[in-house]
Amino acid sequence: QSALTQPASVSGSPGQSITISCTGTSSDIGDFNYVSWYQQHPGKAPKLIIYDVTSRPSGVFNRFSGSKSGNTASLTISGLQADDEADYYCSSYAAGSTLWVFGGGTKLTVL
Amino acid sequence: QVQLQESGPGQVKPSQTLSLTCTVSGASITSTGYYWSWVRRLPGKGLEWIGYISYSGNTYYNPSLKRRLNISLDMSKNQFSLNLSSVTAADTAIYHCAIRLVATYYFSSWGQGTLVTVSS
Repeated sequence: QSALTQPASVSGSPGQSITISCTGTSSDIGDFNYVSWYQQHPGKAPKLIIYDVTSRPSGVFNRFSGSKSGNTASLTISGLQADDEADYYCSSYAAGSTLWVFGGGTKLTVL
Repeated sequence: QVQLQESGPGQVKPSQTLSLTCTVSGASITSTGYYWSWVRRLPGKGLEWIGYISYSGNTYYNPSLKRRLNISLDMSKNQFSLNLSSVTAADTAIYHCAIRLVATYYFSSWGQGTLVTVSS
């Protein structure tokens, strides 16, 4: 069982928007603005797409956006494209000795 | 652009030591400003942070693995390594190396990962 809770799967049609939730606790997501999101295509390295809750690295499309409310962070992908089909993982810096916690991953299917 | 590539045996026997290496290109592992990390993807359980070593050799480990874990730098080869002792089937995972920059709280680059199966 992962420290952060994500839905196992989400789906959407091309052009639509989807949101992936990531629920933690007051010791991680609720306590720090250090939520990050990673996209992983099969057999590829994970790719950072959101950091510090809402920031996007250079080169990441603005169709990807992040937010946070309380102990829950969210990743929204707008204008879904076929290439967005991948696994998505959330992560947060955490109080205590574990330092970084991750979610179980969400498989996005573009219908 | 820093690139990372994991290497090591794909299968380890129970109770033995799992040893992996991450080869770094595009940066020196002794450059100030980098933390060299390991993260693993457990089957059906998502990602787990394992630990990191700084450019100066300071280490910080996940408490759940600390007793069995050692992460080290090999400056001559521009690599860093993971050694996990007394492995069990629960250590079967895809192991990724990753970079975290100083004063940041995310992993900016990752290796593709290598599957390690613990089985006799």
